[in-house]
Amino acid sequence: QLQLEESGPGLVKPSETLSLTCIVSGVSVSGSGAYYNWIRQPPGKGLEWVATVYSSGTAYHNPSLNSRVTISVDTSKNHFSLRLSSVTAADTAVYYCARGGGIAVSDSWGQGTLVIVSS
Amino acid sequence: EIVLTQSPGTLSLSPGERATLSCRASQFVSHNYLAWYQQKPGQAPRLLFFGASTRTPGLPDRFTGSGSGTDFTLTISSLEPEDFAVYYCQQYATSPTFGQGTNLETK
Repeated sequence: QLQLEESGPGLVKPSETLSLTCIVSGVSVSGSGAYYNWIRQPPGKGLEWVATVYSSGTAYHNPSLNSRVTISVDTSKNHFSLRLSSVTAADTAVYYCARGGGIAVSDSWGQGTLVIVSS
Repeated sequence: EIVLTQSPGTLSLSPGERATLSCRASQFVSHNYLAWYQQKPGQAPRLLFFGASTRTPGLPDRFTGSGSGTDFTLTISSLEPEDFAVYYCQQYATSPTFGQGTNLETK
């Protein structure tokens, strides 16, 4: 049974780097045809696509986040990761990791993890 | 960037009624790369449709996704209590974007 679980600190200071990992179980991240996504949701607001990595390692990111985003997949640990640098309060959100058949299209989701940016 | 505008923002209906949710794109959505999600409080979103009208496994047939080009619709033929939630559309033809959501609430 496919499961995804986010892990990482719940509090990050402004200007620092947010780092999250999504542990995938029940399927190999190196299997072909799957896209692994990070999608976030500020408290009380809508959804925003952050970044996607294909099982081959090809990465895509939301251009509005410029070069602050890095997404990667680690096949040896069967997980994928997100790094978001130079965070501000605007990056406070529930971060979801998800998997699906297209960029940002996700049919399996983690439960989400709240990351607060505050000093 | 393709901007998705969902209407109405809030829809107040009773169980048994028909719900029609709209998603309008600022540009043509190629290949009908449009998805719909349902989100309940405290939960992750659930994918309902992709490709505008392809339903996901286990989705009740009272849900229908339709549309093409710039105009898309999610219809729930007869509302069940568990259908009251927030619904989002998402396009993935270009850099993915979401609509702002429609809150389907009990009247």
